[in-house]
Amino acid sequence: EAQVTQNPRYLITVTGKKLTVTCSQNMNHEYMSWYRQDPGLGLRQIYYSMNVEVTDKGDVPEGYKVSRKEKRNFPLILESPSPNQTSLYFCASSFFGRGSNQPQHFGDGTRLSIL
Amino acid sequence: ELKVEQNPLFLSMQEGKNYTIYCNYSTTSDRLYWYRQDPGKSLESLFVLLSNGAVKQEGRLMASLDTKARLSTLHITAAVHDLSATYFCAVDISFRGIQGAQKLVFGQGTRLTINP
Repeated sequence: EAQVTQNPRYLITVTGKKLTVTCSQNMNHEYMSWYRQDPGLGLRQIYYSMNVEVTDKGDVPEGYKVSRKEKRNFPLILESPSPNQTSLYFCASSFFGRGSNQPQHFGDGTRLSIL
Repeated sequence: ELKVEQNPLFLSMQEGKNYTIYCNYSTTSDRLYWYRQDPGKSLESLFVLLSNGAVKQEGRLMASLDTKARLSTLHITAAVHDLSATYFCAVDISFRGIQGAQKLVFGQGTRLTINP
């Protein structure tokens, strides 16, 4: 089954404790992206990757890091989480972004609470 | 800065009625997506609209795109309870002029509740 898998689905942690949210897709998509969803704000792009070793900032990159060492994986790293990063996070993937005319496929989301 | 505004943000309607959700955006784009999100769930793609005048229909939902007016609509016909969800439009713009760098700018979402 074609899917985007995120882990963990839920995480409660404390300020300053480094964490990683994993994202893996099995559709051989080149393009992957991270979003955060906050009430009343829709979804906002954090980082995106056009292919292996090619990443760039989205609209709200502060406090986050990403890496793309393999095509299927795109982890989101919070080096020193803070309470304002409490949010619902989605990973998404598609064939080569804008050129594909295909919608992005979204993972099930990760709800992070930073105390 | 691109702004995408949906209205209404909340909509409560009765089964069997028709209604329209509007999505206005502030800059040029010829691509727009509609997604559905059920509570606690992921986003599910509904429609991909790729050009001016595009119209797509699936069951009781129909989406259209007017790029000149910078407006997309999602029309619900004879609503049923199963259509209760939050609906998002997302405008696709080229990100910083980088070829292939897709940026989706989402509206705030419209929470639709359909009552029996």
